[in-house]
Amino acid sequence: SYELTQPPSVSVSPGQTASITCFGDKLGEKYASWYQQKPGQSPVLVIYQDTKRPSGIPERFSGSNSGNTATLTISGTQAMDEADYYCQAWDVSTGIFGGGTKLTVL
Amino acid sequence: EVQLVQSGAEVRKPGESLRISCKSSGYNFTTYWISWVRLVPGKGLEWMGRIDPSDSYTNYRPSFQGHVTISADKSITTAYLQWSGLKASDTAIYYCASHTGGFSPLDFWGQGTLVTVSS
Repeated sequence: SYELTQPPSVSVSPGQTASITCFGDKLGEKYASWYQQKPGQSPVLVIYQDTKRPSGIPERFSGSNSGNTATLTISGTQAMDEADYYCQAWDVSTGIFGGGTKLTVL
Repeated sequence: EVQLVQSGAEVRKPGESLRISCKSSGYNFTTYWISWVRLVPGKGLEWMGRIDPSDSYTNYRPSFQGHVTISADKSITTAYLQWSGLKASDTAIYYCASHTGGFSPLDFWGQGTLVTVSS
């Protein structure tokens, strides 16, 4: 079955750039989405169709997807960005989530 | 404004049945798919299955096929997730999420329903 692999954790200093990767076989041939989830809250879509931001999502969030790797980049990371981040794609008719990455801003 | 409002927390014993709901408003219910996603404490998100409310077509992640049933009632714009024989391993937070197409991103999410299965 298709799998998406993320690093369990990423740390970044405030104001710096955070990059979270998502690896899957030929992932670049699919659309990748990214979700942010803070403790006790529902997930929020932050990137869809690889690079697009939904209305209301800050410009510091950006995405890319090529080859086997999709990447979520947060420029000028703020303390409020500390959360779990999940990549997601569709494989045939099944939704697939990555295992999630805990972003720590310290 | 699109809203998905889920039913409240539930506690059940192993082997019992359960149905949780997801009430949609703010959009044409039959034009958006509904997916169910679970979050197991200490683990990540897992997509369970989806339904097209326009015709009640469903498909499931293989590991959930036969263990859960997803349904929808167009007349009250509500989707459901049900079990006929709960297991302790079903303890999780369950989210419903809407998406415009079968392979679209999950745009809007419910607030989650905590299901606890314990003897």
